[in-house]
Amino acid sequence: QKEVEQNSGPLSVPEGAIASLNCTYSDRGSQSFFWYRQYSGKSPELIMFIYSNGDKEDGRFTAQLNKASQYVSLLIRDSQPSDSATYLCAVAQGGSEKLVFGKGTKLTVNP
Amino acid sequence: DAGVIQSPRHEVTEMGQEVTLRCKPISGHNSLFWYRQTMMRGLELLIYFNNNVPIDDSGMPEDRFSAKMPNASFSTLKIQPSEPRDSAVYFCASSLGGELREQYFGPGTRLTVT
Repeated sequence: QKEVEQNSGPLSVPEGAIASLNCTYSDRGSQSFFWYRQYSGKSPELIMFIYSNGDKEDGRFTAQLNKASQYVSLLIRDSQPSDSATYLCAVAQGGSEKLVFGKGTKLTVNP
Repeated sequence: DAGVIQSPRHEVTEMGQEVTLRCKPISGHNSLFWYRQTMMRGLELLIYFNNNVPIDDSGMPEDRFSAKMPNASFSTLKIQPSEPRDSAVYFCASSLGGELREQYFGPGTRLTVT
């Protein structure tokens, strides 16, 4: 059974701090990795995707991938109260469109 | 551009009734996915289609669940008969298709079976 694990949190950070969200996956054949943000009562919203080892930056968000360690993370710099949400990590095996989601980490940014 | 459209947004029904959920993918997207989200199990893939053909239905919980995609712009997920344990939020998502493709989610249908 392919698994994606996330710390359920809640993770609480002060406004302006860096929030670090982590995800591990079991399938070594995984090739694509996604971070979704989900506000309470809303649908998942894609915020980052990464396919290669290393870092990928988009505004205040940085995704980091280490395939050898089967680890992917999301850093949110200068965290804002509007970043308070549940962050879902999703992983697809190579050659497949199927995404396996973690159960998410709830982030709270305190003003 | 319109995103993924789902209807209804909320559905309350009694156990034993048939429920049909509807989805219109983003125009030009070739793959469509049905997910179910609950607090206990998180977000689970039920079935996905590519070019209107079901590719993987291994996540469909049992024969009470069925899904169709008669054309590129419409899909249904049907539950017959419905049970209280089917209560969840059902999401439809679409993508351009193929690996390394991002999926975009619709607003979801919140189903309550009493």
